Amino acid sequence: GEDVEQSLFLSVREGDSSVINCTYTDSSSTYLYWYKQEPGAGLQLLTYIFSNMDMKQDQRLTVLLNKKDKHLSLRIADTQTGDSAIYFCAESRRRDDKIIFGKGTRLHILP
Amino acid sequence: GAVVSQHPSWVICKSGTSVKIECRSLDFQATTMFWYRQFPKQSLMLMATSNEGSKATYEQGVEKDKFLINHASLTLSTLTVTSAHPEDSSFYICSASGQGQGVVNTIYFGEGSWLTVV
Repeated sequence: GEDVEQSLFLSVREGDSSVINCTYTDSSSTYLYWYKQEPGAGLQLLTYIFSNMDMKQDQRLTVLLNKKDKHLSLRIADTQTGDSAIYFCAESRRRDDKIIFGKGTRLHILP
Repeated sequence: GAVVSQHPSWVICKSGTSVKIECRSLDFQATTMFWYRQFPKQSLMLMATSNEGSKATYEQGVEKDKFLINHASLTLSTLTVTSAHPEDSSFYICSASGQGQGVVNTIYFGEGSWLTVV
């Protein structure tokens, strides 16, 4: 079946790196995503990685994929107060297919 | 870039009435649209998948007679919550994939619609 798991909360001091972890069960997952949702707002696609990649970096964001362990992580360097949000890990089998979401990790920034 | 628009963004309706939420693809043809709902502080749960011109495919546990989905054109899908009750209060968000320059094989999300049933 399709299941995406992630921890619910993470607290990080401003300026430190945040690492949000996720595991998934569907071995047919081809695309793995990280979405950001700020309070009362919709979804913002942060980045995605194709299953044949190990890593993808985009400015302050680094995504690592361990396909063998079905483990995905998102690292946010130099975490800022504006990064405070819920981060959803998600997967799909095709780029235009339904997306299965995890429960979301609420990132709290400490001053 | 491609835009998916939802309307209304916020709606309050009385218990027992029906409410319609629209999802439009503004600059591409959406052959497939997905409807999700999100309860407060919870994840997005897929409700149904709709392909233009055919009946929607509902996920297990979603009442198709309560959540009517119509995808009559390549740019519009509607979700109608019939005989709404307070427990239907939620954030409903659509996504679309389709055909058009720069949008092939990509999903775009709408901004979401907040429904409150009183």
